[in-house]
Amino acid sequence: GDSVTQMEGPVTLSEEAFLTINCTYTATGYPSLFWYVQYPGEGLQLLLKATKADDKGSNKGFEATYRKETTSFHLEKGSVQVSDSAVYFCALILNTDKLIFGTGTRLQVFP
Amino acid sequence: NAGVMQNPRHLVRRRGQEARLRCSPMKGHSHVYWYRQLPEEGLKFMVYLQKENIIDESGMPKERFSAEFPKEGPSILRIQQVVRGDSAAYFCASSWDSQNTEAFFGQGTRLTVV
Repeated sequence: GDSVTQMEGPVTLSEEAFLTINCTYTATGYPSLFWYVQYPGEGLQLLLKATKADDKGSNKGFEATYRKETTSFHLEKGSVQVSDSAVYFCALILNTDKLIFGTGTRLQVFP
Repeated sequence: NAGVMQNPRHLVRRRGQEARLRCSPMKGHSHVYWYRQLPEEGLKFMVYLQKENIIDESGMPKERFSAEFPKEGPSILRIQQVVRGDSAAYFCASSWDSQNTEAFFGQGTRLTVV
């Protein structure tokens, strides 16, 4: 079935370090891809999305490119801040069905 | 425009009691999704509803769990005869169409069964 696989966390970085969180997917068709962020004690917020191959989603300095050839949607940020500490979820949706989430990756950024 | 409102934020129930979780979608949204997040795990889809209709309940346990989204009022996720394993965070999301290209999430209800 359709699924999303994320790198396990926690990812621990110093402020201003470069961030990559890997995400790969398995889908029977051509899904839309999303990154959601969950701050402590909060619900999920959409961070960015891409709806077709080679699209790049970006927001708040985060970027992810929809790579059909590698079925990936890795999240990157050039310089993380302490305020970026949160759990990041990669997700897909296919054929107007429900969102399917990865297990989440916890990011911890230290000053 | 208020976001997705879930209540209560925290709910404690003894084993065998009933839990009722409420979700008011964003104004104008007619599609509601419920997800469950177990500790240190991702979100698992439970059920997708439109007004007065259950569209997809493939992720919901067959027993003790039910959901509704009436014509008027919030969506309700009901868990009867709760057990310790039901302890989790339950999130509701809403969208204005079935494309679900941007689902907005509530802050969740954290259910603890003691």
